[in-house]
Amino acid sequence: GAGVSQSPSNKVTEKGKDVELRCDPISGHTALYWYRQSLGQGLEFLIYFQGNSAPDKSGLPSDRFSAERTGGSVSTLTIQRTQQEDSAVYLCASSLRGGTSGGGTQYFGPGTRLLVL
Amino acid sequence: GENVEQHPSTLSVQEGDSAVIKCTYSDSASNYFPWYKQELGKRPQLIIDIRSNVGEKKDQRIAVTLNKTAKHFSLHITETQPEDSAVYFCAALSPNTGNQFYFGTGTSLTVIP
Repeated sequence: GAGVSQSPSNKVTEKGKDVELRCDPISGHTALYWYRQSLGQGLEFLIYFQGNSAPDKSGLPSDRFSAERTGGSVSTLTIQRTQQEDSAVYLCASSLRGGTSGGGTQYFGPGTRLLVL
Repeated sequence: GENVEQHPSTLSVQEGDSAVIKCTYSDSASNYFPWYKQELGKRPQLIIDIRSNVGEKKDQRIAVTLNKTAKHFSLHITETQPEDSAVYFCAALSPNTGNQFYFGTGTSLTVIP
């Protein structure tokens, strides 16, 4: 595709409900990252996928957060039993190659704005 | 792990003046340092990056300098224009942390016409 896409663009949910966020990386990009950005804050790393390897989950804030990447392409970030502090913009990024193999340029998606009431 | 600090958090400059944003990092093994620009309500976009084997890189009005000894890198924007107004984020990548980009907390730059 032309760029990284994410859906939905906005999501309003009630506290305690589960939400699923989707990321479509740029075709051919092997690396995929999820970040969380709270209002006026920097980017908080959540999870990283490199091809079909086991993901680096070291940034996930709690066991309510999980992510999958099917077939090395599309990724979904799931937040179970959402809390109000989960409200943020969730950004996905992909790069041709990841990690320290050259520090491939990350291209960000437009983000999903999550509001937990 | 890596710790990236960014200063200042806000910066206002007159149009035509220069703007400098500085980031420090803690892991001496960090070897890749990108800078991102994020306009209000939009996604971050890479504007320039530098690898640890060079000390300076320039692209028209923007430049980045890296001081590995002091473990800091800076973004320089010359001849600022109102469209440069945005939040700028620095980041660092280290082999010790493998896959994680550590981001600074951002600098909100306002260019006053």
